[in-house]
Amino acid sequence: NAGVMQNPRHLVRRRGQEARLRCSPMKGHSHVYWYRQLPEEGLKFMVYLQKENIIDESGMPKERFSAEFPKEGPSILRIQQVVRGDSAAYFCASSPYINEKLFFGSGTQLSVL
Amino acid sequence: KNEVEQSPQNLTAQEGEFITINCSYSVGISALHWLQQHPGGGIVSLFMLSSGKKKHGRLIATINIQEKHSSLHITASHPRDSAVYICAAHSNTGNQFYFGTGTSLTVIP
Repeated sequence: NAGVMQNPRHLVRRRGQEARLRCSPMKGHSHVYWYRQLPEEGLKFMVYLQKENIIDESGMPKERFSAEFPKEGPSILRIQQVVRGDSAAYFCASSPYINEKLFFGSGTQLSVL
Repeated sequence: KNEVEQSPQNLTAQEGEFITINCSYSVGISALHWLQQHPGGGIVSLFMLSSGKKKHGRLIATINIQEKHSSLHITASHPRDSAVYICAAHSNTGNQFYFGTGTSLTVIP
């Protein structure tokens, strides 16, 4: 049973480009969380999704950021028109049910030039 | 004021010492998580608690719901325990997670 898979591991984008980060949860897990860790800062919650539904996006910036978790395929965190301040490590975690132990991916390190 | 406060921020211990990391939170929670982040950046979930105490190997986590406080203990510490330990509160009014800033632990041989 593979763990939570995130790709790419590293992503470099120029200002104004789009970044797409993928997260494949563990098999059987229908709950996905996205977190961001800015340089020298702690983790921050961004969004919580269940299959095909955004349950809580209160931690997500209102503009340029979106997330989805389609019926088939990985969860996608999309950042449009990236800026330098978006440079961070983006982690996703999955769980089989709410209030269950989380399983984390290895993260995607986004660097905006 | 942060919703989750951890102490100490940094901790250096000799191998074999007993270690305690503390976490206080101000929000209502459905669960409290302890995470371990290694220097390479990977994050592992150590415990999820909603009451009482849990033990896994040399690690013990406790929570006092009334006092809104949790502790992570490491017995017989080892250099491989060196990592950042993060406390995370899963809010019971929505699905927000609130994270502590982490405790950086270094265990010296």
